[in-house]
Order: sequence, then C-alpha cells, then structure tokens
Amino acid sequence: EPEVTQTPSHQVTQMGQEVILRCVPISNHLYFYWYRQILGQKVEFLVSFYNNEISEKSEIFDDQFSVERPDGSNFTLKIRSTKLEDSAMYFCASRRTGPEAFFGQGTRLTVV
Amino acid sequence: SQQGEEDPQALSIQEGENATMNCSYKTSINNLQWYRQNSGRGLVHLILIRSNEREKHSGRLRVTLDTSKKSSSLLITASRAADTASYFCATDLHNAGNNRKLIWGLGTSLAVNP
Repeated sequence: EPEVTQTPSHQVTQMGQEVILRCVPISNHLYFYWYRQILGQKVEFLVSFYNNEISEKSEIFDDQFSVERPDGSNFTLKIRSTKLEDSAMYFCASRRTGPEAFFGQGTRLTVV
Repeated sequence: SQQGEEDPQALSIQEGENATMNCSYKTSINNLQWYRQNSGRGLVHLILIRSNEREKHSGRLRVTLDTSKKSSSLLITASRAADTASYFCATDLHNAGNNRKLIWGLGTSLAVNP
C-alpha cells in the first residue's frame, strides 16, 4: 500500500541552525501539507501546497519557514534559523482529490 | 475559536469493554475525521464521516455525527490492549475551499488494560 514517508525520523539541531525536513508524498497525490505537534499539544496546520505553490499558510508559518517541491517527488520543509520553540513533531500529509489525507510517521525535531 | 475539542482527555478501561470518545466543534464542516496516534508515532486515519451522514461503521469502530449539536462520537467496541493510543478528531471546514486543511482537537488518551 502506498504511504507517505518522512526522513529523518528524529533530528537534533542547535538553535539558530537551518534544518530541512523531507517528505515523499504518495505519487499521484496533488495536495501536500505540513502540520506540527508540540509535545502534549494539538496538531497544528502549518502550510498547504498545491500546483507548485503555497495555497494557505498559518500564522506559525512565518518568514523562517519555507516549503519546496523540487523534483516532483520530494516535499520539503525548511526552517532557516531554528528556535527552541520549534521543537515538535512535524507531519507531512498528502491527498489526491478526496478529503482523506494520508500522513507520514513524522519527524521529531529537537532544538537544543 | 477552538475547533475539535475531545472529551474525555483520558480514558482507562479493561480489555473487552467499549470505549466512547466525544468531539465537539464550533463551525460548519465538510466532514469530520478520526485519527489514531500511538505514543510518539504517526497519525493513522481511522474513519471519515461527511456532514450529511449521521453514522458510520468500520470494523469495531462506530462514529456518529450530530451537526445540530456540532458533535461527534467514536465508539470502539470490544476493546483490546492494542487499541491503547491517543485518538484525535479533525474537522475539514466548510467554505474553506478545496484546501481542506484539518483543524485538530487535543485528543483522548485511551488506555486499555489487559
């Protein structure tokens, strides 16, 4: 069964460093998302991406964040200068046209 | 405004018992989805119920939706220890275009004791 894959599963980074979280969505999907979940808190929407551009972003998704779909298969989330409060589980999701989104296993980002 | 608030926040039951979790929301929705998350792991889609549906079944799962009360419930029958996880409802808002971002609740932490 096709699945969304995310790498790495866990990333530890120093405050102020750039990180890139990688996702390979399901191959014929059209809509792509990043969500995050700070430990013990709700899952929060970050950004959605369709037709090679951002379709919506949340207040969390400020200038420090960017997304790319560089080669038609990968979908990346970059955080330019990480802060302690960026520590969270980051989930990538994709869907084709129907309402059901498929989620990856997540990347646990720890900023120290 | 808050969307997708689950209760209870935590539930502990014995294997074989039924577990019921509730979710309330505030704005009109296209659909409501339930997800499961094992400790520190990914989000697994369980079931989707559309705004024009009232009840849906999938195996041991039964979901109801009451749009007049803006609430949904997830029932897991004949629970097993392997059902131990956190359960989240997520709403797909009406009039949000085709973007279909999901708004999540805090979740219910279910412990099924053998």
